[in-house]
Amino acid sequence: GAGVSQTPSNKVTEKGKYVELRCDPISGHTALYWYRQSLGQGPEFLIYFQGTGAADDSGLPNDRFFAVRPEGSVSTLKIQRTERGDSAVYLCASSLYQGDTQYFGPGTRLTVL
Amino acid sequence: GEDVEQSLFLSVREGDSSVINCTYTDSSSTYLYWYKQEPGAGLQLLTYIFSNMDMKQDQRLTVLLNKKDKHLSLRIADTQTGDSAIYFCAESTEVSGGGADGLTFGKGTHLIIQP
Repeated sequence: GAGVSQTPSNKVTEKGKYVELRCDPISGHTALYWYRQSLGQGPEFLIYFQGTGAADDSGLPNDRFFAVRPEGSVSTLKIQRTERGDSAVYLCASSLYQGDTQYFGPGTRLTVL
Repeated sequence: GEDVEQSLFLSVREGDSSVINCTYTDSSSTYLYWYKQEPGAGLQLLTYIFSNMDMKQDQRLTVLLNKKDKHLSLRIADTQTGDSAIYFCAESTEVSGGGADGLTFGKGTHLIIQP
């Protein structure tokens, strides 16, 4: 069975540009999570979806970051007016339900020049 | 607040046992996890333990949990070169207890295997 997939695997952009990162969770998983991993750090929680709604967005660093999951499956993380400090690996995870084991995708490495 | 601490590096000889330690602060932790990350790869779930257990064994992996001291360890028996990676400890907490829905991770322990 397919695991969590993320596209693109790498994204290079210029400061001030807009980017979208996509996550395809494991089929049937209702819960979806986004994390950000900076160099030398562990992943940090950004936002969690249960179905289509963002149940917890307490980890989003500011209002330039936004995420959607319109049909309760695929999710898109959107970053406006990117800054160099946004450079990191963005990880997506899914679980069968909230509180169950989370399975991670390979991540998208975002580089802001 | 929640905090998870790990040593940054551990060096062991091939064939020896590796013990990676982790401490956490949130007493409402429900599950504790160990994830493995190889260079350029995502996080691979290795094992997990529920907070009311004190030990779990899975082939070469043994997890020990001391809930009183909020200390978690991962023992890898007969360490091989393929075990070289970064190992992350993570905790989840009860949302009803005010915990976040996401996992809280440590900074990771780099396991270095000497031939």
